[in-house]
Amino acid sequence: NAGVTQTPKFRILKIGQSMTLQCAQDMNHNYMYWYRQDPGMGLKLIYYSVGAGITDKGEVPNGYNVSRSTTEDFPLRLELAAPSQTSVYFCASSYGALGSPLHFGNGTRLTVT
Amino acid sequence: QQQVKQSPQSLIVQKGGISIINCAYENTAFDYFPWYQQFPGKGPALLIAIRPDVSEKKEGRFTISFNKSAKQFSLHIMDSQPGDSATYFCALSGGGSQGNLIFGKGTKLSVKP
Repeated sequence: NAGVTQTPKFRILKIGQSMTLQCAQDMNHNYMYWYRQDPGMGLKLIYYSVGAGITDKGEVPNGYNVSRSTTEDFPLRLELAAPSQTSVYFCASSYGALGSPLHFGNGTRLTVT
Repeated sequence: QQQVKQSPQSLIVQKGGISIINCAYENTAFDYFPWYQQFPGKGPALLIAIRPDVSEKKEGRFTISFNKSAKQFSLHIMDSQPGDSATYFCALSGGGSQGNLIFGKGTKLSVKP
């Protein structure tokens, strides 16, 4: 039972480059989320999805895009990477919304230089 | 606007002692209050959660105390162990958050042997 799988684990980007962070879950969860975690700042919600084909912005969506073509996958796209996007990115999934535990992946550490 | 304030930022406790982490919020519409535990290099994982219809919930050595009138909730770790050393996040949802979790900034707990 893999749970939530994120790839890659680490990545270094140059300013202006683009990349896609991959996230897959095998729990048949409808809800999926992308958070970023900066030191001392907790987790901030970037985007979320309540099902295939449905996505919505979270607290800090600027500079990111997402798509949800299947229940299992929820990739996060960074266009024109900036140093401010240096962070640890976590993907999570849950069975429902309120009251359902979030299951997190182990994160992608991204550095933009 | 910070919707949940978590304190302290860091905490050092001797083995066998009690660890106490506090969170305060302002929006009375929140109605789900989980705590997440995160070990280095891993994603957060749900530790324990409470709803506002009870004032306390205990699971093993971990207890949430909830004070609805004061809009505060806290995590108590009894008989703290070195294996409890981790970062702890309070969170809340409900109200205008569309069911999405809003996280505190985290408390790094170190339990000394």
